[in-house]
Amino acid sequence: QVQLQESGPGLVKPSQTLFLTCAVSGGSVSSGAYYWTWIRQHPGKGLEWIGYIRYTGNTFYNPSLKSRVTISRDTSENQFSLRLNSVTAADTAVYYCGRLVDGEVAVRHWGQGTLVTVSS
Amino acid sequence: QSALTQPPSASGSPGQSVTISCTGTSSDVGAYDYVSWYQQHPGKAPKLMIYQVSKWPSGVPDRFSGSKSGNTASLTVSGLQAEDEADYYCSSYAGGNTVVFGTGTKLTVL
Repeated sequence: QVQLQESGPGLVKPSQTLFLTCAVSGGSVSSGAYYWTWIRQHPGKGLEWIGYIRYTGNTFYNPSLKSRVTISRDTSENQFSLRLNSVTAADTAVYYCGRLVDGEVAVRHWGQGTLVTVSS
Repeated sequence: QSALTQPPSASGSPGQSVTISCTGTSSDVGAYDYVSWYQQHPGKAPKLMIYQVSKWPSGVPDRFSGSKSGNTASLTVSGLQAEDEADYYCSSYAGGNTVVFGTGTKLTVL
């Protein structure tokens, strides 16, 4: 059973870069047929899709965040990462990583989530 | 890319059925059979309940069912139980390798 675990700083200063990593166990980030995704949830609000990286390494992003987001993977460490530039208080949220199966467009497996606060 | 529209709240008594709607556009819900539903309890990660409009992941009880008509998808919870009280979110493929979520519905079991 695949398990995902987010890690990274819980506090980021405005204008700086948010960087989170999702460690994957029980599966490989380079395995065919899986997409690896980041989703966030502002406090008390709904879910927002950030983007995903395919098993091919291709990346796709939410148009509203595309200019600031990079999702990458490290196959040697079996993890994938989120980089969000020029953060503001509006980026304060719980960030989840997850896995989708190609052809389903549904997140079957989720990390527990990590709260990132943007504040000086 | 706008969020899909869900009612903020829904409720029902134990044993009853409740239906939650998810309205999108002809570019997302109406265009693709890639609607999913997630259940989220407070402080927890979401859990996939329905995918591809009406399919169940293993372990999800068939009291949960999904359907779609035009630009609106629906989640029906039959035989409501106390543990069904949670927030529910729909999502849809929106073309161009993008995904959009719904605004969320808080389900209360009276």
